[in-house]
Amino acid sequence: NAGVTQTPKFQVLKTGQSMTLQCAQDMNHNSMYWYRQDPGMGLRLIYYSASEGTTDKGEVPNGYNVSRLNKREFSLRLESAAPSQTSVYFCASSDPALQGAWGYTFGSGTRLTVV
Amino acid sequence: GENVEQHPSTLSVQEGDSAVIKCTYSDSASNYFPWYKQELGKRPQLIIDIRSNVGEKKDQRIAVTLNKTAKHFSLHITETQPEDSAVYFCAARPGTQFYFGTGTSLTVIP
Repeated sequence: NAGVTQTPKFQVLKTGQSMTLQCAQDMNHNSMYWYRQDPGMGLRLIYYSASEGTTDKGEVPNGYNVSRLNKREFSLRLESAAPSQTSVYFCASSDPALQGAWGYTFGSGTRLTVV
Repeated sequence: GENVEQHPSTLSVQEGDSAVIKCTYSDSASNYFPWYKQELGKRPQLIIDIRSNVGEKKDQRIAVTLNKTAKHFSLHITETQPEDSAVYFCAARPGTQFYFGTGTSLTVIP
């Protein structure tokens, strides 16, 4: 049981390049989330998907797009990377309808540097 | 939306002492309050949680208390050990998503 798997773990991009961060969960959770973590600012929600087929903006959605490909997978795309997007990105999943799954399970994170 | 404030931002304690981290929230619809521990370079991990119909929950050396009237909840760690050193985040959930505090960096001095 892998939980939440994120790829890649590290990435360096040049300004203007694009990339997609992949996330997959094997816990049959309905809800999936993308957060960014910056020093002193905690975890800020970028986008989330409450259930398959739906996506919603979070606190800091500008410069990002998401796709809920199926129940397992939720990807985050940077169309034109900017230095301000240098951060650690975490994917998470949860399911309030499942016993023991109210809280988030996080992926291992992606450390992204935009130069 | 929900606003979660967390204090203190840094906390140093001697090994064996207790540590207390406090959070307040603004949205009375919040009904679930988890706490996460994040070690350096690792993912946040759920360590304890409490639902709004419960006032206190304990798990060995860790306890969480909730005061719904005052809209605050606290994490208590007793008999601290060096491996408790980490950043701790509180969170509140009024709907589908969680709102996080800005974190407390706890250092346990041997």
